[in-house]
Amino acid sequence: DVVLTQTPPTLSATIGQSVSISCRSSQSLLDSDGDTYLNWLLQRPGQSPQLLIYSVSNLESGVPNRFSGSGSETDFTLKISGVEAEDLGVYYCMQATHAPLTFGSGTKLEIK
Amino acid sequence: QIQLVQSGPELKKPGESVKISCKASGYTFTDYAMHWVKQAPGKGLKWMGWINTYTGKPTYADDFKGRFVFSLEASASTANLQISNLKNEDTATYFCARRWPYFDYWGQGVMVTVSS
Repeated sequence: DVVLTQTPPTLSATIGQSVSISCRSSQSLLDSDGDTYLNWLLQRPGQSPQLLIYSVSNLESGVPNRFSGSGSETDFTLKISGVEAEDLGVYYCMQATHAPLTFGSGTKLEIK
Repeated sequence: QIQLVQSGPELKKPGESVKISCKASGYTFTDYAMHWVKQAPGKGLKWMGWINTYTGKPTYADDFKGRFVFSLEASASTANLQISNLKNEDTATYFCARRWPYFDYWGQGVMVTVSS
């Protein structure tokens, strides 16, 4: 199975601060069709996960553009440019290139 | 608007069975596969597998073969998850989510508690 290693496990930020979360894969997520199926999700406290970024760098409709994704093959990053209070929660990367689909262990973002 | 609405919380004893549902609305149900994801209390997300909403064919991740069954009531735009012979380790919230590879809509989750 593909292992996704997320760092850091927790992150404490002030409002307006920019932060990054890393997601490293145990194998390349480049699919044979040329796409890379690495998504980023946010799970706010007591809620279901919501899609933020799909296929590495594509912003899901309705998601603020302070969120951005980058990377390739095995190394991926989610950046939040100017954290807002509503951004608190647990961020997960997930890969859908290889079966079984797998998730990172999560990064908990706390607001100072 | 697109919604996945799941059934309510369940409290079961070990050895019992449970069936939870995920009703879709706002889109053509058979256009997108439905996936199931488990989240144990305080833990991360684990993919259980998926069901082809057009053919009804289920696919299970290795850890979810045997006691877990995905099914459909296509006429009602509903996907179901049944767990038999419940164990304490099945205590978790179970989410449905549509549309590989994006998982763009999720149900609100169903908390299943297994306790004697």
